[in-house]
This record gives sequence, structure tokens and C-alpha cells, in this order.
Amino acid sequence: GAGVSQSPSNKVTEKGKDVELRCDPISGHTALYWYRQSLGQGLEFLIYFQGNSAPDKSGLPSDRFSAERTGGSVSTLTIQRTQQEDSAVYLCASSLWDRGSGETQYFGPGTRLLVL
Amino acid sequence: LAKTTQPISMDSYEGQEVNITCSHNNIATNDYITWYQQFPSQGPRFIIQGYKTKVTNEVASLFIPADRKSSTLSLPRVSLSDTAVYYCLVGDEDDYKLSFGAGTTVTVRA
Repeated sequence: GAGVSQSPSNKVTEKGKDVELRCDPISGHTALYWYRQSLGQGLEFLIYFQGNSAPDKSGLPSDRFSAERTGGSVSTLTIQRTQQEDSAVYLCASSLWDRGSGETQYFGPGTRLLVL
Repeated sequence: LAKTTQPISMDSYEGQEVNITCSHNNIATNDYITWYQQFPSQGPRFIIQGYKTKVTNEVASLFIPADRKSSTLSLPRVSLSDTAVYYCLVGDEDDYKLSFGAGTTVTVRA
């Protein structure tokens, strides 16, 4: 079946502009995650959605970052008033949330954001 | 997630076996050991997971000694396409906030 898809694949924006990044998880996966990976850096957790539960926003770096997940499927990560330090690859992942099996997250290809 | 330590880089040649050892001295009873692979310009990809002893799939083998304080990812007969960064993670099923460090960059040469 299809994997996690993200759009756009690349985004160049000017400092101060807002951007929206989209994630389509694997069909049937109830859990959805957003991460950020800066050049040469490791993976940084941003936010997690699980079913109808309140999202875990503990990783969002500032209030300029927000995310929503509509209908338990597609998710949008919004960055308002972008700054140059927001430049990174934004990765989305989804998982079945099949407790007891050790969770495996399936990642999309990422959106490469460059803030000029 | 328990802290892990792995080599920064490893070089190999096509057809050789590559073994990457990850140290996780503070692994907890409920923790699994999971390895992800990341190619340039792609998202990480799950390759193998284990709890103890040995696990093998079509991509790799994972060896875990009895004390579970380390684990070794084994890639048999690597090819150029195995050039990637490999990440070792340790955590239980509730540790959904994955956190990758620098990982191990494996470079396979012809």
C-alpha cells in the first residue's frame, strides 16, 4: 500500500511569512507524529496525535508552531512568521499504535523548508 | 528513551559484512532495541527491532547479549545502496517521541 506522503517536498519562503506543511499518513494508522531534522542534526520530536485524544504538543519549539489533524487522517503543520532558524527538514510519521508489539513509526520523505 | 552510544562512521566495501555496535547501559526491563536507516534526502526507515538474543529479517540481523547493555546490527554482504545513516534507539512501547542522535554513517565503496 501507499506510504506516508508529504507536501510540498521543498519550500522556500521569506522570513516572516507563514507556511503550511501537509502530511497524509498510511491508511488505518491512528497515530501521527511530526519531527524536525536540521542539517547534520538528529531528529527532534514536535507533536503527536493519537485518535481523538488531545495532541501531545510538548515538542513544539514556540507558539509560532501549530498543527492540526482533521478527521483522524491528514495533518497540517503551520509555522507562522517564519524565522531563518526554522529551516530544516520536517518529517511526518504514522503508526498503528498496536500496543504490546513495540511501536514502529513509518516516515514520509519530508518537506525541506528553507527560510531566506 | 535510554541513552545510546554508537560510532560516528564506518567504511566498508561491497560484499563485506558490516557490524554496528550500540551501547545502552541504562536499558530498562521493558525496553526494546530498534534500528532505523536513513538515506540522503529521505525519511528514516525502520529496519529491525528486538528484545533479546537474535532477530533476523530480510535486511539485517540484530544480536543482543544476555545483559542487553549493547546490541549489534549486522548487515550481510553490503552493496553501494546500503550507504546510509543508521540509528539505534532504545525505549518501551510508550516511548513514541523518537529521538535520533547523529547515528552511524556507513559508507560502502566499490
